[in-house]
Amino acid sequence: DAKTTQPTSMDCAEGRAANLPCNHSTISGNEYVYWYRQIHSQGPQYIIHGLKNNETNEMASLIITEDRKSSTLILPHATLRDTAVYYCIVRVKSPSGGSYIPTFGRGTSLIVHP
Amino acid sequence: NAGVTQTPKFRVLKTGQSMTLLCAQDMNHEYMYWYRQDPGMGLRLIHYSVGEGTTAKGEVPDGYNVSRLKKQNFLLGLESAAPSQTSVYFCASSYRAGLQETQYFGPGTRLLVL
Repeated sequence: DAKTTQPTSMDCAEGRAANLPCNHSTISGNEYVYWYRQIHSQGPQYIIHGLKNNETNEMASLIITEDRKSSTLILPHATLRDTAVYYCIVRVKSPSGGSYIPTFGRGTSLIVHP
Repeated sequence: NAGVTQTPKFRVLKTGQSMTLLCAQDMNHEYMYWYRQDPGMGLRLIHYSVGEGTTAKGEVPDGYNVSRLKKQNFLLGLESAAPSQTSVYFCASSYRAGLQETQYFGPGTRLLVL
C-alpha cells in the first residue's frame, strides 16, 4: 500500500519559503500526490496535486522527484495565516470495496513565526 | 453553492444514546467519505460511498453505520455511543477525473460522549 511519511513539525519565518517534504516511496505508477492543509480545527482544504511534473498554482508549488518517491510542497512567501497542519495524500486500495481511497497520515504541523 | 455541510456542528451524548450525523453536498459528487479525527492524529476513514445506494467500510468502521439513500446525502449513525467515539467527525465529497480525485470537506461535527 502506498503511504506517506512526513516530518511531525516544522517552523518557518514569515516571508520566507516553507519547504515541506513528503516521502511516498511505494506510490503506484499512475496515482497522484495531493496536498491539503488544515487550519486550526477546520476541515482540510485542497492545495495542489501532481503526477510527474512540477506544478504551481496561486497557493503553492509542488516538486515531485523523477522517481516519484518523494515530493516537496513549497509555500514561497509564508505568512502567519499559513500556520496549519499539511497533509500529503496518496490513494490506496481499500481492503473492502476495492476502490482506491485517499489516505491521511498525521501530516506536518507548520508554524510560521514573525 | 454551499459545498459540503454537516449537521449538527456540536453534540453531547450520554453513553448508550444513539444519533445520526448528516452530511450534505450540492456539487453532484459521486464519492462521499466519513472520517474521524482525534487529538494529534490525522484523519481516519470510517466508511465511504462510491455512489447512491452503495457504502463500504474504511479503516475504523466498528460502532458506526452509514447510509446513502440520496446522492447528495451521506448519513453516519452511532447506534450506542461510547466515550471512545468522542471525536471530531469530518465528511468529504469528491469527483473523479480519471485517477485524479479532489476532496471537499465539511466544517466538522464535534461529538462528546459522556
